[in-house]
Amino acid sequence: DTAVSQTPKYLVTQMGNDKSIKCEQNLGHDTMYWYKQDSKKFLKIMFSYNNKELIINETVPNRFSPKSPDKAHLNLHINSLELGDSAVYFCASSQAHRGLGYTFGSGTRLTVV
Amino acid sequence: AQSVTQLDSQVPVFEEAPVELRCNYSSSVSVYLFWYVQYPNQGLQLLLKYLSGSTLVKGINGFEAEFNKSQTSFHLRKPSVHISDTAEYFCAVSDLISNDMRFGAGTRLTVKP
Repeated sequence: DTAVSQTPKYLVTQMGNDKSIKCEQNLGHDTMYWYKQDSKKFLKIMFSYNNKELIINETVPNRFSPKSPDKAHLNLHINSLELGDSAVYFCASSQAHRGLGYTFGSGTRLTVV
Repeated sequence: AQSVTQLDSQVPVFEEAPVELRCNYSSSVSVYLFWYVQYPNQGLQLLLKYLSGSTLVKGINGFEAEFNKSQTSFHLRKPSVHISDTAEYFCAVSDLISNDMRFGAGTRLTVKP
């Protein structure tokens, strides 16, 4: 049973398209995150949701919109894709008790052509 | 806000040699510290964490790290590395209140035969 699962694993799309990445966790965690990892492996937090409420919204273009229908799901929708959006996107989750670390999904490699 | 600096972007070592990956952090509040490993084309896995208590923490795969509050460091060590340890290693810090996790830029460990 995969703890944090993301779909799709790979996504190749043309500039200007709209796409979504889905994330689900079966750990009972109440906080979920989206991270972007660029080609140099740098990890940058994008969004954080706690019990369906947006907690962190870092400086991310408005074209990115997270949606959390329930605390086990956090989807990422991207409008008008640009070449610079090409990266690996990771979903993660954590428990309310601080200090237990995050559990990461295996990532979605987005390539915009 | 807290930040993390990983002092080496790449560390090449020979198999069975010892290795140390360096990490320094900055924070105005007490923090939790973590090391994660990312194998090629995979998500991040938790190696070990420091919450409180003994400053020497042991993790999976024979890794250990030592918390040094005066030097604000949390260096990762392994006495004898294997080819399979080749991966990207990330140091991370989260504060005790927000649970937000910030990552260092990563250290690429390459183990040569």
